[in-house]
Amino acid sequence: AQSVTQPDIHITVSEGASLELRCNYSYGATPYLFWYVQSPGQGLQLLLKYFSGDTLVQGIKGFEAEFKRSQSSFNLRKPSVHWSDAAEYFCAVVASGGSYIPTFGRGTSLIVHP
Amino acid sequence: DAGVIQSPRHEVTEMGQEVTLRCKPISGHDYLFWYRQTMMRGLELLIYFNNNVPIDDSGMPEDRFSAKMPNASFSTLKIQPSEPRDSAVYFCASRLRGGSETQYFGPGTRLLVL
Repeated sequence: AQSVTQPDIHITVSEGASLELRCNYSYGATPYLFWYVQSPGQGLQLLLKYFSGDTLVQGIKGFEAEFKRSQSSFNLRKPSVHWSDAAEYFCAVVASGGSYIPTFGRGTSLIVHP
Repeated sequence: DAGVIQSPRHEVTEMGQEVTLRCKPISGHDYLFWYRQTMMRGLELLIYFNNNVPIDDSGMPEDRFSAKMPNASFSTLKIQPSEPRDSAVYFCASRLRGGSETQYFGPGTRLLVL
């Protein structure tokens, strides 16, 4: 079965600084990979996803993520963080063969200082 | 499209009472998921349906929890009797067929059992 690890429970950055949130997965083949964002009091919203092709994917709100097969990683990045980016971020993996049920990481809480 | 609709948004009840959470998925979506989110356990998949049929309910914590999907546009999650440890945010999500497809989450129901 697939699994997802988000090693950082909290990340604190200053507004305008760059951001990288880590996600590592365990799966025997190439999975489908997702990043979701959850603002306070809201449901999860898709930021971006990867399922084939170019390993660098662009998402909404200026986010991007890079799939690195050799490292089993799918890290989320943003060059300049805005205060409105403060939220909880979830990485998810879906096995490319099977029930297509996503496994979510525990989430990383992003705190943005002015 | 209005997105996934959940009701109520907030529910406060007393231990032992029956609680019913409701969900209207996005029209045309084949899959419907019920999740529970707590600080301690993160985001847990409780049950999911495919074409209105329950496929996997192994995440349902115990017999006090039940879920139904009588038609393609409506699902309920019922807790009877409720207990304080059931306090959590419950999310409904829907998705088209296919592992690379995005899951769309509702805003959640925040349940507090006193």
